[in-house]
Amino acid sequence: GENVEQHPSTLSVQEGDSAVIKCTYSDSASNYFPWYKQELGKGPQLIIDIRSNVGEKKDQRIAVTLNKTAKHFSLHITETQPEDSAVYFCAASTISNFGNEKLTFGTGTRLTIIP
Amino acid sequence: DVKVTQSSRYLVKRTGEKVFLECVQDMDHENMFWYRQDPGLGLRLIYFSYDVKMKEKGDIPEGYSVSREKKERFSLILESASTNQTSMYLCASSLGGLPYEQYFGPGTRLTVT
Repeated sequence: GENVEQHPSTLSVQEGDSAVIKCTYSDSASNYFPWYKQELGKGPQLIIDIRSNVGEKKDQRIAVTLNKTAKHFSLHITETQPEDSAVYFCAASTISNFGNEKLTFGTGTRLTIIP
Repeated sequence: DVKVTQSSRYLVKRTGEKVFLECVQDMDHENMFWYRQDPGLGLRLIYFSYDVKMKEKGDIPEGYSVSREKKERFSLILESASTNQTSMYLCASSLGGLPYEQYFGPGTRLTVT
């Protein structure tokens, strides 16, 4: 089955600096790669996603890059702010044994923004 | 505003008890999912359902079962709770077909003593 590895597990960044979180996946058939943000006491929430026909996608201070050849994708947050402090999860889509779409998640990165 | 609700935020049960976790979504989504979240292990898929009365095992189904009698409701059942099932349980829903955004509930923190 799919294996998604995420690094680093913790990341501390000075406010205003950039943060980068990296993920690798194993299933070459994966074609959808979302990133979720989980704030304390809440469920994860989608912040950005990318499909395999695109190499990069931006949404204001957040960007995701995808390298299908190397099977890795990354989340970039620029001009970090205190409200960016949270746990971030990457995920990759896979096809189940019965042909249904599901997500495999990475192990998460706890991002702390230092004021 | 889309919404996924879970029946309890916190639950404490004893070993051997039968436990029901309920999830309701109001978005008319075809797909519903149950995950458990443990420190250092991320989110792991227990079971999912792609239609009413249809279900499929995820990556860690042992010790769990599910029920989906209505489109909006997806239940996770622990037939005989054990201490290693102490965890945060998250429910999610999404549209069917292509992989789409999953909307998560706030989670149920289950403690089995």
